[in-house]
Amino acid sequence: DGGITQSPKYLFRKEGQNVTLSCEQNLNHDAMYWYRQDPGQGLRLIYYSQIVNDFQKGDIAEGYSVSREKKESFPLTVTSAQKNPTAFYLCASSQNRVYGYTFGSGTRLTVV
Amino acid sequence: DQQVKQNSPSLSVQEGRISILNCDYTNSMFDYFLWYKKYPAEGPTFLISISSIKDKNEDGRFTVFLNKSAKHLSLHIVPSQPGDSAVYFCAASARYGGSQGNLIFGKGTKLSVKP
Repeated sequence: DGGITQSPKYLFRKEGQNVTLSCEQNLNHDAMYWYRQDPGQGLRLIYYSQIVNDFQKGDIAEGYSVSREKKESFPLTVTSAQKNPTAFYLCASSQNRVYGYTFGSGTRLTVV
Repeated sequence: DQQVKQNSPSLSVQEGRISILNCDYTNSMFDYFLWYKKYPAEGPTFLISISSIKDKNEDGRFTVFLNKSAKHLSLHIVPSQPGDSAVYFCAASARYGGSQGNLIFGKGTKLSVKP
């Protein structure tokens, strides 16, 4: 079954630590995206990648980093520079804009 | 500046009645629009879409209407069911422009359908 998998579902991080969120897709989609959802804020774009070995900053990239070494994988690192990292993080992939995005089930990150 | 606006954070309707969710956009380059449905602690799922060459698209209980002159679209759910209770996101994309076809999302409207 084709899909997009995010892991872990829940993640706890101590202040000052970096943490990496995993996103894997087997849909053969070229484009992948990371969004952050906060209450009342909707979905805000962190980073996106249209092709392997290339990625672009979204609206709220500060304090985050990504890599795209493989078509299937687009991990997101939340660094200690991110001031308010507690949020629900969503990964998505897309083949073309007509079909929209396929989303993963999300990772809830909590800083303790 | 928000390019896609959902001005109603929440909407409550009775089971069996019509739910109407509204969305406004400001970018005249947008030519493809989608609605997503999201349950708590889950990823959004695609619901229905419409191209700017159309003004209406139907899929079962769901119909999306597009008014290009007003830069407005709406999602109608008839009849509404308790299982429709979720957050609904409107999204838009432009074939050309700096966003490279990326989807721009509104902030969402939380629909509650009461039995």
